[in-house]
Amino acid sequence: NAGVTQTPKFQVLKTGQSMTLQCAQDMNHEYMSWYRQDPGMGLRLIHYSVGAGITDQGEVPNGYNVSRSTTEDFPLRLLSAAPSQTSVYFCASSLGGSNNEQFFGPGTRLTVL
Amino acid sequence: GENVEQHPSTLSVQEGDSAVIKCTYSDSASNYFPWYKQELGKRPQLIIDIRSNVGEKKDQRIAVTLNKTAKHFSLHITETQPEDSAVYFCAATGYSTLTFGKGTMLLVSP
Repeated sequence: NAGVTQTPKFQVLKTGQSMTLQCAQDMNHEYMSWYRQDPGMGLRLIHYSVGAGITDQGEVPNGYNVSRSTTEDFPLRLLSAAPSQTSVYFCASSLGGSNNEQFFGPGTRLTVL
Repeated sequence: GENVEQHPSTLSVQEGDSAVIKCTYSDSASNYFPWYKQELGKRPQLIIDIRSNVGEKKDQRIAVTLNKTAKHFSLHITETQPEDSAVYFCAATGYSTLTFGKGTMLLVSP
């Protein structure tokens, strides 16, 4: 099993550009989440999904879109990048229900100029 | 929603000392409390977790305690080693998503 994978590892964007961060898992996990990590702020939830076709907003959803067309994939789209979106982005997955242990991907470091 | 407070934000200890990190949570419905360790440039890794039907759990040098009445839980690391140096995050959840504390940077000096 590859676990949770994310691409790209690093990305530099200009203000106003759009892009998609990819996340995939091969553990047949129902639950998937996107977090951003900023210095001194911990991990903040952007969007999450409890199954294919179902998504919901987390603590900091503005400027981001998600979709979940398959169990395996959960892409995060930045619609019009802003310098405030410079961060490290982590995707995570879990079985869900009473089994809450989350498995994290390796992260994507995004810089918006 | 859930709110998790974590203290201290930084903790420096000598090798062999014990380290304690404390967290409080706000939602009494939360029933799962994991602790993650994150080394520089790496992803968070689960090191220990506890559920609300248990008061304490140990795994070698690491232990976690939970006080549901007071809504706080703590991570205890004994006989610290330099390789324990990292950022530690607590989290809480009752359902599908985790709410994290802001993290504690632990530095263990030889």
